[in-house]
Amino acid sequence: TQLLEQSPQFLSIQEGENLTVYCNSSSVFSSLQWYRQEPGEGPVLLVTVVTGGEVKKLKRLTFQFGDARKDSSLHITAAQPGDTGLYLCAATKTTDSWGKLQFGAGTQVVVTP
Amino acid sequence: DVKVTQSSRYLVKRTGEKVFLECVQDMDHENMFWYRQDPGLGLRLIYFSYDVKMKEKGDIPEGYSVSREKKERFSLILESASTNQTSMYLCASSFETGSGEKLFFGSGTQLSVL
Repeated sequence: TQLLEQSPQFLSIQEGENLTVYCNSSSVFSSLQWYRQEPGEGPVLLVTVVTGGEVKKLKRLTFQFGDARKDSSLHITAAQPGDTGLYLCAATKTTDSWGKLQFGAGTQVVVTP
Repeated sequence: DVKVTQSSRYLVKRTGEKVFLECVQDMDHENMFWYRQDPGLGLRLIYFSYDVKMKEKGDIPEGYSVSREKKERFSLILESASTNQTSMYLCASSFETGSGEKLFFGSGTQLSVL
């Protein structure tokens, strides 16, 4: 059983459309991270959210941390082919010590021109 | 630029072989990690290390060991490779920021055990 459940597993959209992917859990996290992984590469950190209710923006990407720090969402506005990749959320439970970063299974996003 | 280098992109080994996966980072980070990535399961932590000669078990250490003799190098060892260890292996190093660990990953080693 995954600690972090990501949905949907796969998303295919046209360039210019918006999309949202979700990361949910029953556990409370001290912080939550989003990564993007492109084919043949390792994941690259996009953002870290720490405070419940926090919203962070990175150009056309908007990240939100749930009020209870159990879930998060990533919204992409006007998606471009360069946004194609596997989006992973990762978090450390408040009850876990340092180093125990847990990853979700990821959402594969494909943006076609 | 930050760099984590994994020695091989692709490896093919036979069941029972001893396998070494090497990882080197050039950022002087104290913390290093080994994950494996499988479709539908995400990344699972095998081992991590917070200092030279120090190691901690992750979530799936069985069948693996690690070595950290120098700060910049973290090796993953499969003592006797098995087919269920066919996977993508990712190495990472990290430093602590005010809002948590920031991980930098290598490009991965795709290991096939036949």
